[in-house]
Amino acid sequence: DIVMTQSPDSLAVSLGERATINCRSSQSVLHRSNNKNYLAWYQQKPGQPPKLLVSWASTREPGVPARFSGSGSGTDFTLAISSLQAEDVAVYYCQHYFITPLTFGGGTKVEI
Amino acid sequence: EMQLLESGGGLVQPGGSLRLSCAASGLTLSNYAMTWVRQAPGKGLEWVSALSGNGAFTHYADSVKGRFTISRDISKNTLYLQMNSLRGEDTALYYCAKVAYNDYWYLDLWGRGTLVTVSS
Repeated sequence: DIVMTQSPDSLAVSLGERATINCRSSQSVLHRSNNKNYLAWYQQKPGQPPKLLVSWASTREPGVPARFSGSGSGTDFTLAISSLQAEDVAVYYCQHYFITPLTFGGGTKVEI
Repeated sequence: EMQLLESGGGLVQPGGSLRLSCAASGLTLSNYAMTWVRQAPGKGLEWVSALSGNGAFTHYADSVKGRFTISRDISKNTLYLQMNSLRGEDTALYYCAKVAYNDYWYLDLWGRGTLVTVSS
């Protein structure tokens, strides 16, 4: 199974400042056939289901603010929030979809 | 608007069974692969099971293999998770989630979940 490791477990960021979340996979999730990274990011606010933010490591979903950006390749990935807003307080998860079993990172709690 | 609505959760004794349902509206389940993902209280997300878009293939996490069965009823546009031999560690909020594209298993639509509590 591919193990997804996120860091840090939590971080506190001032409003308007940058937040950076890291995700590492135990093996590459870059598929050679299409040169795509099979990595997604989700946001989960308290009492709500997860919401897809980013697929293919760096493709924002429609409607996701531009302050969210995904990057990385192979085994190391980052989700950045360029200017933290109050509504961004949430837990963020990475997930690979390279092969089953699908696995998620342990989550990173972002606070103000 | 596409929506998923889970039901069927509740309190069950260890060793018991439950069947969860996920009713879809605004989308046709037979067009998509679907998954179940669970979240234990205060914990992270754990993928449980998946059903391919054509309904021919099922996948399970090792933790539930042999105890859980995923299925669907196309006529009711509903996904199911039959859970047998339940254990305390199965206690969680169970979400059904739609796979974005049949070959690319990221999850672009989630229900609000149904809570399963396994306790005597």
